[in-house]
Amino acid sequence: NAGVTQTPKFRVLKTGQSMTLLCAQDMNHEYMYWYRQDPGMGLRLIHYSVGEGTTAKGEVPDGYNVSRLKKQNFLLGLESAAPSQTSVYFCATSASSYNEQFFGPGTRLTVL
Amino acid sequence: GESVGLHLPTLSVQEGDNSIINCAYSNSASDYFIWYKQESGKGPQFIIDIRSNMDKRQGQRVTVLLNKTVKHLSLQIAATQPGDSAVYFCAGQAAGNKLTFGGGTRVLVKP
Repeated sequence: NAGVTQTPKFRVLKTGQSMTLLCAQDMNHEYMYWYRQDPGMGLRLIHYSVGEGTTAKGEVPDGYNVSRLKKQNFLLGLESAAPSQTSVYFCATSASSYNEQFFGPGTRLTVL
Repeated sequence: GESVGLHLPTLSVQEGDNSIINCAYSNSASDYFIWYKQESGKGPQFIIDIRSNMDKRQGQRVTVLLNKTVKHLSLQIAATQPGDSAVYFCAGQAAGNKLTFGGGTRVLVKP
């Protein structure tokens, strides 16, 4: 089992460009999350989903959109990238709200 | 709101010694806590969790202590090894809220 995978691993964008990050899981978990991690800071929740077809805003949702069309996939979109979105993005999954979260390997995004 | 923070940004420990990483939280309603380990270039990895109905929980070479009175938890690593060098995060959750992560403590193991 692959667990939680993320694509791509690295990406460089120019300001104003758009892109989609893909998170895929084979753990059959209902809950999925997108976090960003900046130097010297902990993980901050961007958006999350409690099941297929549902999404909700987290702590820092501005500038991002998400979709959960299939249970196993959670997509994070940047419509118009800004340098402030330079970060490492992590996807995570959990079986329920009060269970450990399993993290993917991360995507390092640089916006010039 | 919920905030979870760490007392020390870097902890340097001699190989074989015990390590203690501390974490304070602000929301007295928090009732679930997790410790994660993150190695360079990788995603966080679950170490151990504890719920508020417990004061102590032990795993393999790790122990988490929870003091609800002073809103403090700690992670103890016994016989620290070079492979324990990483950044350690605590995270807390209250009912109806999402997991909130602290800023992380870097543990450096000296040979």
